[in-house]
Order: sequence, then C-alpha cells, then structure tokens
Amino acid sequence: GQQLNQSPQSMFIQEGEDVSMNCTSSSIFNTWLWYKQDPGEGPVLLIALYKAGELTSNGRLTAQFGITRKDSFLNISASIPSDVGIYFCAGRNYGQNFVFGPGTRLSVLP
Amino acid sequence: GAGVSQSPSNKVTEKGKDVELRCDPISGHTALYWYRQSLGQGLEFLIYFQGNSAPDKSGLPSDRFSAERTGGSVSTLTIQRTQQEDSAVYLCASSAIPGQGAGETQYFGPGTRLLVL
Repeated sequence: GQQLNQSPQSMFIQEGEDVSMNCTSSSIFNTWLWYKQDPGEGPVLLIALYKAGELTSNGRLTAQFGITRKDSFLNISASIPSDVGIYFCAGRNYGQNFVFGPGTRLSVLP
Repeated sequence: GAGVSQSPSNKVTEKGKDVELRCDPISGHTALYWYRQSLGQGLEFLIYFQGNSAPDKSGLPSDRFSAERTGGSVSTLTIQRTQQEDSAVYLCASSAIPGQGAGETQYFGPGTRLLVL
C-alpha cells in the first residue's frame, strides 16, 4: 500500500531560525495536505496543495507540491515558540483515502 | 456546528468493558473519518463514511471495533471488550465533498483520549 515518509523525525531549532521539512511518497498523489498538531489537540490544517509544482503560503509557512507528485515540502520562516508541535503531511490519489505521514516533531528553543 | 466535536474528551475504562465514542461533524459535511493515534505516533486510518454508508472499513483492527453513522451526521465508534492496547487518541474528521479539490480537505476534532486499565 501507499506509504509516506517524513523527515526529519524530530528537530530542535533556535527561535528565529527557518525550518524545512519534507514528505515523500512511494506513489503519486494528486493532493497534499499539511497539518499541525498541538499537544492534546486534533490536527489543524495549515496548507492544502492540489497541483504539481504549486507553491502556497500561509503567513510564515510555505508549502510546495513536488513536480514528481511524490513529495511535498513545508518551510517555516522565523520560527517562534508557538510553532512547537507535530507537523503531519497527508496525501491521496483520486478515489483513495488520505494517507498520513508519521509526523515531524518540532521543538523551538528560546 | 462551527467545527468537528467529539465526546467524551477523555475516557478511562476497565479491560473488557465496552466504550462508545461520538463524533459530530461539521454541518453539511458528507464524509466522516475515524483515525487512531497511539502515543507519539502518526494517524492510523480506521473507517470512512460517505453519508451513512461505510465504503471503506479496511482500517478497523478487529471485529471488536464497529462504527455507524445516522442521518448523515453523527457517528459512533464502538469498541467492545476493550483491551489495554486499545488505549489511544481516537480522532474524527469530516470533509465536504470527497474527491473534489478543496472540498476533500479533512477537518479534525479534538479527539477522545481512551485509557484502558
């Protein structure tokens, strides 16, 4: 079946630094979603991507739908303490359910 | 409602007891999903509803797990004869129109934290 890998698994950064994480798939997707989950909460949608090559921003967050349709990237600029959490990618192809990655755990040090 | 709601928010039960978890999706959303998230892990798909029917039950881990949805709205996930390995956060999500661009985006509830002693 389809699998998603996310890297890095976890990261510790200094406040103010930029962050980059990615998600790769064993098969082609036509939709990519990025979610953030705070401790004790459900995942919250950050960015949705629907077209190969698409680059979409949401405040300090920017995500890209890879040209190969097998990967996606999420960048966070000028990190702040509230960026702490787990970032999940999710992808799907037509007629199939979403598959979620295992998450990237982000810690921001003051 | 404004968002997906789930109840109870926390549930502690004894091994062997049955539990029911409830999900109220966003009003008008036709698709509803149940996921399980073990501590520190990603999301494990359980079941998907389109309207009141469940075209994909492939993720249910055993026959102790069942789910239903009535009136195209509220869904209940039932776990019978709970085991300690059932302890996890159970997340519900809904989407407007599966398979149609922005409408397929899933919005999650806060989850029910289940602890089986």
